[in-house]
Amino acid sequence: NAGVTQTPKFRILKIGQSMTLQCTQDMNHNYMYWYRQDPGMGLKLIYYSVGAGITDKGEVPNGYNVSRSTTEDFPLRLELAAPSQTSVYFCASSYPRGADDEQFFGPGTRLTVL
Amino acid sequence: GENVEQHPSTLSVQEGDSAVIKCTYSDSASNYFPWYKQELGKGPQLIIDIRSNVGEKKDQRIAVTLNKTAKHFSLHITETQPEDSAVYFCAASIAFGTGTRLQVTL
Repeated sequence: NAGVTQTPKFRILKIGQSMTLQCTQDMNHNYMYWYRQDPGMGLKLIYYSVGAGITDKGEVPNGYNVSRSTTEDFPLRLELAAPSQTSVYFCASSYPRGADDEQFFGPGTRLTVL
Repeated sequence: GENVEQHPSTLSVQEGDSAVIKCTYSDSASNYFPWYKQELGKGPQLIIDIRSNVGEKKDQRIAVTLNKTAKHFSLHITETQPEDSAVYFCAASIAFGTGTRLQVTL
């Protein structure tokens, strides 16, 4: 199993551009999450999903959108990128108790908005 | 929502010494407390977890204690080794602390 994979690893965006961060897991986990990690600030939950077709906002959802059309994929969309979205983004999945079970993290996407 | 505080933010110990990281949480309904280790350039990885029906759990050199009444939990690493150097995060369910950068010096 590859676990949780994320693409791209690095990206530089100009202000106002859009992009999609890809996340795929091959563990058949129902629960998936997107976090952002700013220096010295820990991980902040952006969006999460408890299964295909179901998504919900986390702590910092503004400026982001998600979709969950399959169990495996949970892409994160940035519209109109802003410098405040410069961060490292981590996707994670868990099973079977969702928030009360171990999360498996991807390697992260480092995004810079200039 | 849940608020998790973690201390210290940085910790330097000599090889062979013990390291202790402490966390507090705000939501008394929380019942799952994982600890993650993050090495440079990688995603966090679970090293140990504890549930609210248990007061202490140990796995070789790593132990975690939980005090539900006081709403705090701690990570203890004994006989530290250079490969223990990393950033450690506590969490209450999916709410994370701000991390502790542990440096083990020779």
